Amino acid sequence: DQQVKQNSPSLSVQEGRISILNCDYTNSMFDYFLWYKKYPAEGPTFLISISSIKDKNEDGRFTVFLNKSAKHLSLHIVPSQPGDSAVYFCAARSNAGGTSYGKLTFGQGTILTVHP
Amino acid sequence: DVKVTQSSRYLVKRTGEKVFLECVQDMDHENMFWYRQDPGLGLRLIYFSYDVKMKEKGDIPEGYSVSREKKERFSLILESASTNQTSMYLCASSPGTSYGYTFGSGTRLTVV
Repeated sequence: DQQVKQNSPSLSVQEGRISILNCDYTNSMFDYFLWYKKYPAEGPTFLISISSIKDKNEDGRFTVFLNKSAKHLSLHIVPSQPGDSAVYFCAARSNAGGTSYGKLTFGQGTILTVHP
Repeated sequence: DVKVTQSSRYLVKRTGEKVFLECVQDMDHENMFWYRQDPGLGLRLIYFSYDVKMKEKGDIPEGYSVSREKKERFSLILESASTNQTSMYLCASSPGTSYGYTFGSGTRLTVV
């Protein structure tokens, strides 16, 4: 049962244009969402996050939008750069409490390629 | 900066061998996690630990066990390696109930 889904395995974008990566979730107990970026042969690194009480969070070229009613979030990268080429993982945290607190559930990942 | 160090970047093991993957973090984090990454499946949680000697099963614990004798070290054990355990293994740590994971660089395990 995939509770966090990234339905696009890959995305190809021209340098300077916008990249939009999408993520859907099914668990209504998720209260915090994160995006991680992963280069080959490296571990994922934190990129940006958003609490469920917000609908937008911005950090430089990166903006995350959350639509709670649709259980959907998206990551916008503007402008895209070749160095942004990586695998992007969406992740979510449950507020169910107990030992589940702090545990992240990840999506399948989307490979972003930004062409010069 | 928090450092999470995984002992090996690449490992090749034979079917049936017992395999140990080691992970050490240097920031006194309570939580430690083992994930595996497979194409099209993303990151799947194998086991996690919220304290020394404490462990909980994740989503895919079959064929694996873990050990956490010291706070800084979390070991993943493949009791009898099989070819379907060929994967990228990622260790992560986080403080308390924080959502902020720090990942290690990963161990690419190939079982032949």
